[in-house]
Amino acid sequence: GAVVSQHPSRVICKSGTSVKIECRSLDFQATTMFWYRQFPKQSLMLMATSNEGSKATYEQGVEKDKFLINHASLTLSTLTVTSAHPEDSSFYICSARTALNTEAFFGQGTRLTVV
Amino acid sequence: GENVEQHPSTLSVQEGDSAVIKCTYSDSASNYFPWYKQELGKRPQLIIDIRSNVGEKKDQRIAVTLNKTAKHFSLHITETQPEDSAVYFCAASTSTGTYKYIFGTGTRLKVLA
Repeated sequence: GAVVSQHPSRVICKSGTSVKIECRSLDFQATTMFWYRQFPKQSLMLMATSNEGSKATYEQGVEKDKFLINHASLTLSTLTVTSAHPEDSSFYICSARTALNTEAFFGQGTRLTVV
Repeated sequence: GENVEQHPSTLSVQEGDSAVIKCTYSDSASNYFPWYKQELGKRPQLIIDIRSNVGEKKDQRIAVTLNKTAKHFSLHITETQPEDSAVYFCAASTSTGTYKYIFGTGTRLKVLA
């Protein structure tokens, strides 16, 4: 089956620093990748949609200058949380899909803690 | 944009009983409805999905029904087992554009042994 790998699985960073999270599709070409944020005991909130080679489309209320998304290849998308603050602490999950398939496959998630 | 509501937020059932979780959506263009199971700190796992050209789909103990007119769909789990305990999310998506998923608020299912 399709595998999406996310790295790192856990990261702790100091307030004011930036953190990069990678999302890779291991055995398929992902034309579209999605980034979600999930706070404890809450749902997955879509942050942005990225298509390979083009700018990401951000959901309303998500700061594009704070959450930088790059989808430079068909197998890799990155999310960089810039100038992280404690309120950015959350579980970030990516998902990926091909051009032919509606089903999206999820990465294992990254738990970000900003101290 | 699409809005998905999910009920109940928590559900406790005795082992062997059935569990039903309901979702409603707002965008009539949505035509793909997956259900995910998520255990604590882990990725969501697809358990069943349904497309808008079908009214019902079943996979062993799990079934999903869809009422396009009323814009609601439901997850049915029969003969529940303790390992079914998890958080379940419904989602809605369209097969045009970006295919983005909008998730429901989640249901915490607890199966009591």
